[in-house]
Amino acid sequence: DGGITQSPKYLFRKEGQNVTLSCEQNLNHDAMYWYRQDPGQGLRLIYYSQIVNDFQKGDIAEGYSVSREKKESFPLTVTSAQKNPTAFYLCASSPGLAVQETQYFGPGTRLLVL
Amino acid sequence: GDSVTQMEGPVTLSEEAFLTINCTYTATGYPSLFWYVQYPGEGLQLLLKATKADDKGSNKGFEATYRKETTSFHLEKGSVQVSDSAVYFCALVDTGFQKLVFGTGTRLLVSP
Repeated sequence: DGGITQSPKYLFRKEGQNVTLSCEQNLNHDAMYWYRQDPGQGLRLIYYSQIVNDFQKGDIAEGYSVSREKKESFPLTVTSAQKNPTAFYLCASSPGLAVQETQYFGPGTRLLVL
Repeated sequence: GDSVTQMEGPVTLSEEAFLTINCTYTATGYPSLFWYVQYPGEGLQLLLKATKADDKGSNKGFEATYRKETTSFHLEKGSVQVSDSAVYFCALVDTGFQKLVFGTGTRLLVSP
């Protein structure tokens, strides 16, 4: 089955620690996205990538980093500089480069701070 | 930049009741509009979309019509089921900044 997988489902971070969230897609989509969801709020865009080895900052990129070494993979690192990382993180992809194209979402990773 | 405003929830209904979730937008031009649904503990799924004025998107009994006169894209369903309980997000394409802009979401609770 084609789709987007995210792992782990739950992730715990200690103070000062960097953690990496995995996102893999087998839909052969060019574009991939990372969103952050907080309770009672809409999704906010962290980073996006339209092509391998290229990515752009979204609205709330500070304290996060990404890489896009392969078309199917777009991992997100939450660094120690992100002071309030507790949230639900969603990865998405879309077939082409046009922002009007439908985005397909993964099941999400919930990050909690110990 | 562009923005989306949704009615606050939760919306609480009995099974087979009529559903309306209001969504209005502010945008330059005529953006594509979307409704996404998020079931508990899951990611978002596209429910329906409309790409131009007067288009009606529909899926699984849900409908929404792109109204440029009122800048609205209200979600409706004639008879809700318990399985429709979820959070519904309205979104638009901000072509200026090349991104999706989401509303804050509306939680729907349907009781038997």
